Amino acid sequence: NAGVTQTPKFQVLKTGQSMTLQCAQDMNHNSMYWYRQDPGMGLRLIYYSASEGTTDKGEVPNGYNVSRLNKREFSLRLESAAPSQTSVYFCASSEASAGQDYEQYFGPGTRLTVT
Amino acid sequence: GENVEQHPSTLSVQEGDSAVIKCTYSDSASNYFPWYKQELGKRPQLIIDIRSNVGEKKDQRIAVTLNKTAKHFSLHITETQPEDSAVYFCAASEDKFYFGSGTKLNVKP
Repeated sequence: NAGVTQTPKFQVLKTGQSMTLQCAQDMNHNSMYWYRQDPGMGLRLIYYSASEGTTDKGEVPNGYNVSRLNKREFSLRLESAAPSQTSVYFCASSEASAGQDYEQYFGPGTRLTVT
Repeated sequence: GENVEQHPSTLSVQEGDSAVIKCTYSDSASNYFPWYKQELGKRPQLIIDIRSNVGEKKDQRIAVTLNKTAKHFSLHITETQPEDSAVYFCAASEDKFYFGSGTKLNVKP
């Protein structure tokens, strides 16, 4: 099992450009998450999807959109990148339903720089 | 929403000593409290977790305690080793996960 995979690993964008970060998991998990991690800070939730077909905003959703394409894939889109979106982006998945194992499994991260 | 505070932000100990990291949370609905270890340039890895119906959990040199009344939980690492050096994050969750700001642990040989 590959676990959680993310593409790309690194990306440099100019201000105003758009891009989509891809995430896929092969653990048959219901829930998937997108976080950003800035230096000296913890992970902040951007969006999450409790199950296929549903998405919900997290702490810092402004400037981002998501798509839960199917149970395996959850993508994050930056429509018009800004320097404030320079960060490391982590995707994660978990079972996360009542009474079940909540453990989150993280992808390797995407390091995004916006100039 | 939930607010998770973590202290200290940095912690330096001598090899063999114990290390304690503390977190508080605000939402009494949170019922799952994981701790993650993150090495430089790597993804966070779960090291131990605890549910709200348990007060303490131990796994070899690592233990976590939870006080639901006071809304705080702590990570205890005993007999620290240089390879324990990393950033540690606490989190609280009911469905979404809210993370603390991290503790950089340095274990000096």
